[in-house]
Amino acid sequence: DVKVTQSSRYLVKRTGEKVFLECVQDMDHENMFWYRQDPGLGLRLIYFSYDVKMKEKGDIPEGYSVSREKKERFSLILESASTNQTSMYLCASSLRATLDTQYFGPGTRLTVL
Amino acid sequence: GDSVVQTEGQVLPSEGDSLIVNCSYETTQYPSLFWYVQYPGEGPQLHLKAMKANDKGRNKGFEAMYRKETTSFHLEKDSVQESDSAVYFCALRKLMNYGGSQGNLIFGKGTKLSVKP
Repeated sequence: DVKVTQSSRYLVKRTGEKVFLECVQDMDHENMFWYRQDPGLGLRLIYFSYDVKMKEKGDIPEGYSVSREKKERFSLILESASTNQTSMYLCASSLRATLDTQYFGPGTRLTVL
Repeated sequence: GDSVVQTEGQVLPSEGDSLIVNCSYETTQYPSLFWYVQYPGEGPQLHLKAMKANDKGRNKGFEAMYRKETTSFHLEKDSVQESDSAVYFCALRKLMNYGGSQGNLIFGKGTKLSVKP
């Protein structure tokens, strides 16, 4: 079974802090994604990566950056956390050849105070 | 631009009721269509899919027909169970284009299904 793990289930940070959210997948998938999930807004794509060291902006990249130094790991970085970044963050991965089936991690609930 | 619309934010059937969860899409190309399901405390997972017009996706008693003429992909079940309670997301993906954003999924806002016992 594909497994996507996220470093924390719950995280509380203060405004202005630098926040790292880590995601690891164990199935050698080329593609990795970061989404945020908010009530009534569904899933919105922040950043994605189709290969190591490659990244592309999604629909809402402002205030975020990403890093992909190894194929299995994709990190989301909040350079200076703000209260409007309080949300559920979901990581996903997929095989390049089957872009349709994305496998999601359990999510990180981030609260910025 | 491309979009997926789910008209109901929440549906509240009783166990044994029939179910239709609406999904309409808009895109300039012929997409593949998906339903993802998210159970409490988990990430979304693929529930069913249809790759081209007139295909029907099926899983665990749920069905969805890819209707190009009405640009719809409604999720249906004859008799819901309490264990079906979850959030359901409709999504589309345009024809795969290697690399770039064309292959990304576009999700609807989700419909929360709460089945009353």
